[in-house]
Amino acid sequence: GNSVTQMEGPVTLSEEAFLTINCTYTATGYPSLFWYVQYPGEGLQLLLKATKADDKGSNKGFEATYRKETTSFHLEKGSVQVSDSAVYFCALTTPGFGNEKLTFGTGTRLTIIP
Amino acid sequence: GAGVSQSPSNKVTEKGKDVELRCDPISGHTALYWYRQSLGQGLEFLIYFQGNSAPDKSGLPSDRFSAERTGGSVSTLTIQRTQQEDSAVYLCASSLGQGSSYEQYFGPGTRLTVT
Repeated sequence: GNSVTQMEGPVTLSEEAFLTINCTYTATGYPSLFWYVQYPGEGLQLLLKATKADDKGSNKGFEATYRKETTSFHLEKGSVQVSDSAVYFCALTTPGFGNEKLTFGTGTRLTIIP
Repeated sequence: GAGVSQSPSNKVTEKGKDVELRCDPISGHTALYWYRQSLGQGLEFLIYFQGNSAPDKSGLPSDRFSAERTGGSVSTLTIQRTQQEDSAVYLCASSLGQGSSYEQYFGPGTRLTVT
C-alpha cells in the first residue's frame, strides 16, 4: 500500500535560516506528491505539488522536487520567516485508482524564532 | 467565495452516544472526502464521495461509522455508540473533480471529544 515517511519534529529554527523537511514515499503506480500546511488555528491548505518525476513545485518561497530515483519530495526554503511557523504535511495520491484520496505523513511542526 | 464549512466546530459527547458531523462543500464540487486527524494515527482517509455515491469507504474504521451525501452537496458523517478512541478532529475536503490537477480544499474540521 501507499505510505509517506516524514521527518520527525518538532523543528525550531531562527529567522532567515535554511529549512529542509525530508519526505520519502512508497506507492503503487505513479503518485502525485503534495505538501500541505496547517497554520495555527486554520485549516489544511495546499502549499505546493508535483505530478511527475523531476517536476518542481514551488509557492511562497518553498520548493520541492519530485525525485523518483530516491522516492523523495523534500521541502526546502532558503530563508524562513516567523510567519512560516506551522505544521507541514507531505502527502500523495495515486491517480487512476478511482479517487484521489490523500495519504499523509505524520506532519512536522515548525517553529521560527525571531 | 465560500469555502468548505463544517459543523459543529466542537462536539463533546458521552461514550455510547451517537453523533452527526456535517460538511458543506464548495458549490459545484463533485468530489468530497472525509479524513480524521488524531494524535495516535495522524491524518487518515475515511471515505470518498463522487456525487452522491461512495465508491471508496475503505477508511471507515468500523461499522459504527457511516456517511451519506445528498443532492451532490451536503454530507453527514455519523458515528454510532461513540467510543473514546473516536476522539479526533474530523476533516472534510472537496474538489472540483477527479484527478490530481483538482486541488482538495479542506474545511476547518470538527473536534470531537468522547468522555
